[in-house]
Amino acid sequence: KNQVEQSPQSLIILEGKNCTLQCNYTVSPFSNLRWYKQDTGRGPVSLTIMTFSENTKSNGRYTATLDADTKQSSLHITASQLSDSASYICVVSNPGNTGKLIFGQGTTLQVKP
Amino acid sequence: EAGVAQSPRYKIIEKRQSVAFWCNPISGHATLYWYQQILGQGPKLLIQFQNNGVVDDSQLPKDRFSAERLKGVDSTLKIQPAKLEDSAVYLCASSSHGGNIYNEQFFGPGTRLTVL
Repeated sequence: KNQVEQSPQSLIILEGKNCTLQCNYTVSPFSNLRWYKQDTGRGPVSLTIMTFSENTKSNGRYTATLDADTKQSSLHITASQLSDSASYICVVSNPGNTGKLIFGQGTTLQVKP
Repeated sequence: EAGVAQSPRYKIIEKRQSVAFWCNPISGHATLYWYQQILGQGPKLLIQFQNNGVVDDSQLPKDRFSAERLKGVDSTLKIQPAKLEDSAVYLCASSSHGGNIYNEQFFGPGTRLTVL
């Protein structure tokens, strides 16, 4: 069964601290893995997209890693800011232009001053 | 480039009533998706259109949900009659057809539906 599992379910950190979110998947066939940020009351916005051959990709203070062998990914946030408070969703895609996206349940991050 | 537009942003109805949501995708995007996102969960695909044809509606509760994209541009999603468990955010997304191996989807702000 195609599944994407994320941990932790929620996380509270202090402003300026780093954190790492985890994603495990059992999706086949695999095309790419992406991390989305979803602010409260908004639609998800793409942070990073990685294909099978990419191990790491950065977008500012966000760095995603992918281990296709173990089917694990992580999203590391450096020097957190209050604006990082949001849900972070791991999504795995099947191949093709109309490839299906399989969503994780998300990790809710709260950054406190 | 304008993003995906959705309306209304919020809707409150009583169970057994009907409701409709509207989505206007990014100009030129051939593929349009409707997702249901229940609080605390990731989005679940309801239906995917390629131009004005349905690609995937396997998770659409067809006894009460319907969607159309008559001219291959904007789309409407309807629920009739609504149930309490339909309370969720309904997200619309679009992506371009071909030339993008990532098939990146761009999401609208969503419509938050509350069924009382």
